[in-house]
Amino acid sequence: EDQVTQSPEALRLQEGESSSLNCSYTVSGLRGLFWYRQDPGKGPEFLFTLYSAGEEKEKERLKATLTKKESFLHITAPKPEDSATYLCAVQAGEETSGSRLTFGEGTQLTVNP
Amino acid sequence: GAVVSQHPSWVICKSGTSVKIECRSLDFQATTMFWYRQFPKQSLMLMATSNEGSKATYEQGVEKDKFLINHASLTLSTLTVTSAHPEDSSFYICSAAGWGYEQYFGPGTRLTVT
Repeated sequence: EDQVTQSPEALRLQEGESSSLNCSYTVSGLRGLFWYRQDPGKGPEFLFTLYSAGEEKEKERLKATLTKKESFLHITAPKPEDSATYLCAVQAGEETSGSRLTFGEGTQLTVNP
Repeated sequence: GAVVSQHPSWVICKSGTSVKIECRSLDFQATTMFWYRQFPKQSLMLMATSNEGSKATYEQGVEKDKFLINHASLTLSTLTVTSAHPEDSSFYICSAAGWGYEQYFGPGTRLTVT
């Protein structure tokens, strides 16, 4: 059974204080690892897809990296508007597009001004 | 691109009535749509997967007769909560996947059953 574990559960940062969120996974045949951002009362917003170990992707203050066992979401010089819950999900198995995602429990990030 | 809408964004209904939620992919064709349920402070729980023109596949423990899913076209899927009860109150979110691996999520529908 696919498993995704995110840590920490909650993280408080001061504006400008860089940090990383962790997503460790155990799957059979990883097809993709996804990062989403979710604001309260809204649906998840797609951030990144990573397909293979060693891959990195960046978007503004966010950088996602992937190894064979885990992924990190690095947040550089965060701002209060980066406050949200960050969700990690994996897609595995033999199916290709349109396959189900297995989500972690999320990391709730709060950035104080 | 990759915009998914849901309607309504919130709904209040009385116990015993049915409620229909629509999920639309606005700028791409969704070969597969997914329905999730989310409780406060918890992650998303997959309820069912639907492919256009075929019956939905429900996750274990999800009552197919209670949560009716119809995926009539490549841009529209509906979830009907039949004979709703207060315990069905939750945040329901759909997602859509096109020809790639990514799923794009709708804004969610808050259902309150009184």
